[in-house]
Parts: sequence; C-alpha cells; structure tokens
Amino acid sequence: SQTIHQWPATLVQPVGSPLSLECTVEGTSNPNLYWYRQAAGRGLQLLFYSVGIGQISSEVPQNLSASRPQDRQFILSSKKLLLSDSGFYLCAWSVRQHYQPQHFGDGTRLSIL
Amino acid sequence: SQQGEEDPQALSIQEGENATMNCSYKTSINNLQWYRQNSGRGLVHLILIRSNEREKHSGRLRVTLDTSKKSSSLLITASRAADTASYFCATDTLGADKLIFGTGTRLQVFP
Repeated sequence: SQTIHQWPATLVQPVGSPLSLECTVEGTSNPNLYWYRQAAGRGLQLLFYSVGIGQISSEVPQNLSASRPQDRQFILSSKKLLLSDSGFYLCAWSVRQHYQPQHFGDGTRLSIL
Repeated sequence: SQQGEEDPQALSIQEGENATMNCSYKTSINNLQWYRQNSGRGLVHLILIRSNEREKHSGRLRVTLDTSKKSSSLLITASRAADTASYFCATDTLGADKLIFGTGTRLQVFP
C-alpha cells in the first residue's frame, strides 16, 4: 500500500531563517506531487506541483521554492522566511491520471517568530 | 484564484440529523471531489464524481453534481459526532494536473 511521510510535524523558526520541509511517498512510482499551504480556518492554496523529477510548476510567486530530486521526494524550501510564511503546509500525491484522488500527508505546522 | 466556494461556512447540527454542504465553481471540470479534514490533520478523500455523473453514493454520503449550474452538494445522512470536521470540495479542471480547492465548510455535530 502507498504511504506518504511529511516532516517535521511542527516547526518554529525565526524570521529570516532558512526552511526545508520534506515529503516522501512509498509504494508507488511516477506520482504527481503537490505542496499546499493552509492559513488558519481557510482553504488550501496550491504552492507547487510536480509531474516528474526536476519538473516544478509554481502557482504563487513568493520566497518559497520546491525541488524534486528523486521520483518520490518533494522538498519545500526558503532561503529567508517571512512572518507571512506561517501556516499549515501539506504535501500530497496522486496517480498520474485523471479521475484520481489526492492523498495527503499529516502536514507541518510552521510558526514564524 | 479560488475555484470552489462552499456554503455554509459553518454548520452545527445534532447527532442523527442530516448535513448538507454546497459547492459552486467557475469553469468546466473533469470531475469534482470532496475531502474531509479533521482539525490539525491532512485531508482525506471521500468521494469523486465525474462531470458526466449526476449523483453518487458512498455509505452515508450522497453527492450530486449539476454542471449546468456549476454546483455540487454533499449530504451526510444520520450524522455522528465523529463526522465533526471541515469538508472541502475540489475541482479537477480540464487540461490541468492539479485540483483547486474550495474554502470549506466546518461541520460540528453535537452528541
């Protein structure tokens, strides 16, 4: 069966510090991968998605970046965090076909001080 | 931009009652999906309805889709306290590899 791992679960970082959130998927090959951000009590904002190694589509211009160094690994990074980067970050994967659901990790709660 | 908008934003009911949530969207879709999110957790897929389907059932869930009105509804029958969560619709738009999520409905079911 397929599983998705996302870590860390919580993170407290000072403004201006770097960020690296990691997401890995097991039990499937060539998945589509997604990074979302969710503000408190709000819907999901798609940040990045990837349909293959090294292929990243950015949805929102900001100081975040994403990389996919391996087929089942998706990394969200920042060189300098802003206060506005606080939120709940969710990674998800899906089979690369239409009419398929997305499967989510348990998220990372990021607080910027 | 947000594709789906749900209403109501929040809903409080008693156990045993039915809960209905509505979703409206703006562009043509391949399918529409509903997800559930418990507080502080990731989303869990509930049900997918294709653009050529009008109604779909899964256990106590019933989803309808009206593509002429660009709207969908999720009905949870005989609700339980454990159904307390936020519910989101998401649209899979034509030609895209991504879902666009709505703003969500927060459902509270009181025992």
